[in-house]
Amino acid sequence: QVQLVESGGGVVQPGGSLRLSCAASGFRFSDYGMHWVRQAPGKGLEWVAFIPYDGSNKYHTDSVKGRFTISRDNSKNTLYLQMNNLRPDDTAVYFCAKDGYYYGSGSYLDYWGQGTLVTVSS
Amino acid sequence: EIVLTQSPGTLSLSPGEGATLTCRASQIVSSNYLAWYQQKPGQAPRLLIYGASSRATGIPGRFSGSGSGTDFTLTISRLEPEDFAVYYCQQYGKSPITFGQGTRLEIK
Repeated sequence: QVQLVESGGGVVQPGGSLRLSCAASGFRFSDYGMHWVRQAPGKGLEWVAFIPYDGSNKYHTDSVKGRFTISRDNSKNTLYLQMNNLRPDDTAVYFCAKDGYYYGSGSYLDYWGQGTLVTVSS
Repeated sequence: EIVLTQSPGTLSLSPGEGATLTCRASQIVSSNYLAWYQQKPGQAPRLLIYGASSRATGIPGRFSGSGSGTDFTLTISRLEPEDFAVYYCQQYGKSPITFGQGTRLEIK
């Protein structure tokens, strides 16, 4: 069965950096695009970033452009999110999720990890 | 970007009743690329519906989606106790992907 396990969250000061990882199993990782979605405490879902199956392009929401970078290593079945210059409003649970389309360009999200909490505070 | 507005914000119903949740888009959602998710406290979202009306794997038949253009509906017939949760719509017809703000379905 599909499993997505995030790691790397924690408490960081404003201006600091973190790298999130998402270990995937149960499907052919190199055939599917992957997403990061976040959820601030008590708030709704916000799409953060998407990377196609081959890593050929990277898409980020405007509020994180220039600070966050999505990447993947298909040899390790792992998705990453490098987060730099973190701000208090980046505090959220970060979910990785699998794209629903084979070789897709960003669609619905059919499997989700349990999330990892990032807290940005001094 | 396409803004999705869900209504109502909160819906109070009893088990056994039917529920109708709506999602209105600020622009036409191309190819009806609209999905619905269910989220329970402390859990990840779960995909219910994609393509406006296709049920995801393992989703019970009491969940159905409909709509096109800018107006979409999630219908839950005969609510079960485990259906009380927050529901989100999401469009993927135009970048960036966007989510609605959610509808909380609570037990009356």
